[in-house]
Amino acid sequence: LAKTTQPISMDSYEGQEVNITCSHNNIATNDYITWYQQFPSQGPRFIIQGYKTKVTNEVASLFIPADRKSSTLSLPRVSLSDTAVYYCLVGDRGSGDKLTFGTGTRLAVRP
Amino acid sequence: SAVISQKPSRDICQRGTSLTIQCQVDSQVTMMFWYRQQPGQSLTLIATANQGSEATYESGFVIDKFPISRPNLTFSTLTVSNMSPEDSSIYLCSVGTRSMNTEAFFGQGTRLTVV
Repeated sequence: LAKTTQPISMDSYEGQEVNITCSHNNIATNDYITWYQQFPSQGPRFIIQGYKTKVTNEVASLFIPADRKSSTLSLPRVSLSDTAVYYCLVGDRGSGDKLTFGTGTRLAVRP
Repeated sequence: SAVISQKPSRDICQRGTSLTIQCQVDSQVTMMFWYRQQPGQSLTLIATANQGSEATYESGFVIDKFPISRPNLTFSTLTVSNMSPEDSSIYLCSVGTRSMNTEAFFGQGTRLTVV
């Protein structure tokens, strides 16, 4: 499974756009990029998944450059409730759903 | 989607004792996973529990310490045996199947404190 590197923490203010970048230099051809969000005292929750270019859903956007060695999770107009830890995971969708979590990015949104 | 219920949500236990954590899913799933999350840390996979077969443990985790049962397709238990303060963590149950497009679902976790 490809190793991922993310910033340990980020700070933002309400209403701002937050971009969290994840490096995965040894991503394999069959690997997908998935982001999870974890609030305190809860299990992680799926946010978004992509393979290349851009993916957008009601929660976030995921930007993946052509070489796929990094990806950026974009949260538009964050609110206090977006304060959480965000995990970037890279793996083969056929790997039996075994997930390997990296350190994650602790996002703090301030008023 | 899948709804996962874990019991207990938290417990305080004496060292040397054992605790069994239950995980109930609202649908039948092939694979269930148990994770440990130590305070302020990321999640670490303990083992994969498949119905009808022995659980598969990750490096650093052994069956004697973390026995797992998987009696059917909707239920699993994880036992933390002979506990020490180092076992104080959050233990999470997770499920994910290809029919769910690889999105994994997690329980709320069991917060264990060993004194």
